Amino acid sequence: NAGVTQTPKFRILKIGQSMTLQCTQDMNHNYMYWYRQDPGMGLKLIYYSVGAGITDKGEVPNGYNVSRSTTEDFPLRLELAAPSQTSVYFCASSYAPGLAYEQYFGPGTRLTVT
Amino acid sequence: KNQVEQSPQSLIILEGKNCTLQCNYTVSPFSNLRWYKQDTGRGPVSLTIMTFSENTKSNGRYTATLDADTKQSSLHITASQLSDSASYICVVAPRDYKLSFGAGTTVTVRA
Repeated sequence: NAGVTQTPKFRILKIGQSMTLQCTQDMNHNYMYWYRQDPGMGLKLIYYSVGAGITDKGEVPNGYNVSRSTTEDFPLRLELAAPSQTSVYFCASSYAPGLAYEQYFGPGTRLTVT
Repeated sequence: KNQVEQSPQSLIILEGKNCTLQCNYTVSPFSNLRWYKQDTGRGPVSLTIMTFSENTKSNGRYTATLDADTKQSSLHITASQLSDSASYICVVAPRDYKLSFGAGTTVTVRA
């Protein structure tokens, strides 16, 4: 059981480039999330999905896009990368929303935009 | 605005010693609270969950307490080990499920 996997682990982008962060879970969870973690700050929710074909914005969605074509996959797209998007990105999944059911996190993608 | 404040920001302890981490929150109405452990370069992993009606919950050498009246939680680590070196994150959920994450406390255990 792999849980939540993310690729790549590290990436350096130039300003204006685009990329997709991949996320896959094998727990058949309907709920999936993308967070960013900046130094000294709590995780911030970028986008979330309550099931295949359904996505919604979190706290900090600007500059990002998501899609959810299958239960397993929830890719995060960065268009026109900016230095402010330098961060560590975590994908997570859960059986249900809130904290009653644990959110399982991937290992993260460390992104640097220069 | 719902907020979660953790203290201290970081601490260093000797192996075998105990320590206590604090979490104060303003989330209301309150549903439940989780403590997560995040090893360097890894994603957070849940240690324990507490509902508003619980006061204490243990998971091995980790004991979490909750005072819903004062909106405070603590995480106590007993007989620390080198593997306890990590960031500990307090997460609070109101009834609308929009989670609030603390910035974390970084614990360094030295031999």
